[in-house]
Amino acid sequence: DAGVTQSPTHLIKTRGQHVTLRCSPISGHKSVSWYQQVLGQGPQFIFQYYEKEERGRGNFPDRFSARQFPNYSSELNVNALLLGDSALYLCASRGPAGEPQHFGDGTRLSIL
Amino acid sequence: GQNIDQPTEMTATEGAIVQINCTYQTSGFNGLFWYQQHAGEAPTFLSYNVLDGLEEKGRFSSFLSRSKGYSYLLLKELQMKDSASYLCAVISNQAGTALIFGKGTTLSVSS
Repeated sequence: DAGVTQSPTHLIKTRGQHVTLRCSPISGHKSVSWYQQVLGQGPQFIFQYYEKEERGRGNFPDRFSARQFPNYSSELNVNALLLGDSALYLCASRGPAGEPQHFGDGTRLSIL
Repeated sequence: GQNIDQPTEMTATEGAIVQINCTYQTSGFNGLFWYQQHAGEAPTFLSYNVLDGLEEKGRFSSFLSRSKGYSYLLLKELQMKDSASYLCAVISNQAGTALIFGKGTTLSVSS
């Protein structure tokens, strides 16, 4: 079975641009979460979606937004990119409550 | 607020046993996870504790004390491939069922 897939793998943008990152969860998983991981730190929670509804939001500015589609895939959008947005963006999906979240390989975003 | 603390770095030798500690302060605790992350790779699930006590899974064990806000991950018979970052994460119902991670402990295993 396919795991969590994310695209693109790597991305280079300049300040002020916007970016869309995509995530396909494990088949049957209805919950998708997004995390930002800066080098040397643990992942920081950005958003969680379940059944296409936002169920949680971390401490990130309004430049960050996300949505979940009827097939449970998800997009993370970041507007007005800043140098500090350079990070690994991880998507995780989960089955029923109590099961662990499974992570994709991430999108490495570099802002120049 | 929420706070998760774990040591930044640890070193050990092949065949040894190492214990990585994690202390947490959070409201609405709903469970604690340990993940392993090799450099440049995604975190992979190791263990889950929601009740007090020890969970054993092969060479890895994890312990939880909810009253003390404390967990540890025990790695036995260390191998070189165990060199990685180990992430402690709690589920806090203040953020849905999202994971709140510590900064991770980088474990270096030498021969």
